[in-house]
Amino acid sequence: SQQGEEDPQALSIQEGENATMNCSYKTSINNLQWYRQNSGRGLVHLILIRSNEREKHSGRLRVTLDTSKKSSSLLITASRAADTASYFCATDSGANSKLTFGKGITLSVRP
Amino acid sequence: DGGITQSPKYLFRKEGQNVTLSCEQNLNHDAMYWYRQDPGQGLRLIYYSQIVNDFQKGDIAEGYSVSREKKESFPLTVTSAQKNPTAFYLCASSWNQKNIQYFGAGTRLSVL
Repeated sequence: SQQGEEDPQALSIQEGENATMNCSYKTSINNLQWYRQNSGRGLVHLILIRSNEREKHSGRLRVTLDTSKKSSSLLITASRAADTASYFCATDSGANSKLTFGKGITLSVRP
Repeated sequence: DGGITQSPKYLFRKEGQNVTLSCEQNLNHDAMYWYRQDPGQGLRLIYYSQIVNDFQKGDIAEGYSVSREKKESFPLTVTSAQKNPTAFYLCASSWNQKNIQYFGAGTRLSVL
């Protein structure tokens, strides 16, 4: 069963623009993570935000979490062609729970 | 280099055949996972293991089997009972269930 659902499903932007991707989830969480997947490769962890945090930064990445709305957003600033990939949110929902991944967002950055 | 190694990169299965996908990690992680990825469906959990000699079914375990005899190794067998095995299979590991997962490069399985 899918806990996180990303929005939009696909996003195409010009190099240098910002990319904003959203994730909504249904049940309360301990933390939420974002991963990146280049075509035909494994996933790479980008950032983890805990349920008691509201915002986190890592380089050109900014993640926000709104537990009242059960949603998170990932902002990639000053995008590059190399940012072209699929992005997944993943939620951890409590004791003995597994990490549950969404279906992913396909980001295309045009040079 | 530390990391997770999946092999082979490509695998072909004949009708009625069992095939085994290898996953090895040298990160000293306790937990290991197998996911199946189909186009447009994201990652679905097949099996996971928190400790040696113990594993649990995920959301789509039917037609698959695993073993965890060593901490470093978590092989996945796709049995002949899995009628639609064509997919991209990803192995991952983490310190425990809640932490960041580290992924291998994947095995693409096709049916001949």
